[in-house]
Amino acid sequence: QSVLTQPPSVSGAPGQRITISCTGSSSNIGAGYDVHWYQQIPGTAPKLLIYGYSKRPSGVPDRFSGSKSGTSASLAISGLQAEDEADYYCHSYDKSLSGSVFGGGTKLIVL
Amino acid sequence: QVQLQESGPGLVKPSQTLSLTCIVSGGSISSGGYFWSWIRQHPGKGLEWIGYIYNRGGTYYSPSLKSRLTISIDMSKNQFSLKLSSVTAADTAVYYCARAGGYQLPYDPWGRGTLVTVSS
Repeated sequence: QSVLTQPPSVSGAPGQRITISCTGSSSNIGAGYDVHWYQQIPGTAPKLLIYGYSKRPSGVPDRFSGSKSGTSASLAISGLQAEDEADYYCHSYDKSLSGSVFGGGTKLIVL
Repeated sequence: QVQLQESGPGLVKPSQTLSLTCIVSGGSISSGGYFWSWIRQHPGKGLEWIGYIYNRGGTYYSPSLKSRLTISIDMSKNQFSLKLSSVTAADTAVYYCARAGGYQLPYDPWGRGTLVTVSS
């Protein structure tokens, strides 16, 4: 059971827009700690996709965006491409655990 | 550009100690206030934070692993290490090392990961 809750899977057709939610609590996202998102292609290490809720590292297309509302955060991907098919994880800090917490991951299926 | 590479045995017997090292290249492990971290991923599952060591001193461990865990840093070799004692099959996972700029900052970069199997 992950501290941050994500849907197990989402799907969309090429060109569409999807969102992935990440729900936390008052000891992590709700406490104001940053949320970060990673993309993981099976068999490879996670890659930083979004940090500080909505900032993109250099090289990440602006099709990827992030937002926050209360105790939740969301990752949006617009103009879906086949290469976006991967697992996506959210990450934050939890003051009760005094450490990092991750969501359980969401598998994105591009139809 | 900093790169991380995990090294260590891929097979550990139950009840023994799992030992991994993360070799840091392209930068000094002693510079900056970075958090040098270990994260694992059980087969087919999500990411699990193990712990980190702050290069100015101090370690922070997952409460669920704290009693079996030691993370240390060797600045002379530019590497940091993980030791997890009394392992069981439940510790079979891909182990990643990663760097964060602060306790609530993102992990970037990551090592490629190394699979450790606990089996007799």
